[in-house]
Amino acid sequence: RKEVEQDPGPFNVPEGATVAFNCTYSNSASQSFFWYRQDCRKEPKLLMSVYSSGNEDGRFTAQLNRASQYISLLIRDSKLSDSATYLCVVKNTDKLIFGTGTRLQVFP
Amino acid sequence: EAGVAQSPRYKIIEKRQSVAFWCNPISGHATLYWYQQILGQGPKLLIQFQNNGVVDDSQLPKDRFSAERLKGVDSTLKIQPAKLEDSAVYLCASSLEPGPPYEQYFGPGTRLTVT
Repeated sequence: RKEVEQDPGPFNVPEGATVAFNCTYSNSASQSFFWYRQDCRKEPKLLMSVYSSGNEDGRFTAQLNRASQYISLLIRDSKLSDSATYLCVVKNTDKLIFGTGTRLQVFP
Repeated sequence: EAGVAQSPRYKIIEKRQSVAFWCNPISGHATLYWYQQILGQGPKLLIQFQNNGVVDDSQLPKDRFSAERLKGVDSTLKIQPAKLEDSAVYLCASSLEPGPPYEQYFGPGTRLTVT
């Protein structure tokens, strides 16, 4: 079983739609959780950290369920510029473990 | 603030040849990482340095890959000899410390094609 699993997609959604991505992790001792965004042929960049209480940054909401070892990212009112791959990332000891990413394509 | 610099951006070599990649992290960042990203996959950590010491190299194929970070700043990653399956993007990242807030800043990567 992979340490971090994501649905690779692609998710094709119209502008203005709400879309949710899910991620599961296998190590119950994982300490910290993140979503990174990677544009096509570019480097990954931190989108947001994920806190146990859930957190929101504008149109983006991240949730963590430690009991189910499950992380989610919700994007509201999708923009064309949201088209990218979203990487679920889990921190174990001092190492970041990246999922394979979920590709999002927002169309007009 | 200047970001993480990497060179070259692209490299095409034949199998069994050698190749080296260079990384210059963000000034003041003590921790440096090399990742391998194969098409369609997430980045996989190859080696992590704290200053000029190795923290984790458990996933580095040491029979062909080597890395160093002399003087705790720049780093080089070498592959010798290259195999077809080494075709990937090699990403360098840096962070202030291995502790919170854990954000890693990535360079643009070196795209390696082995033919």
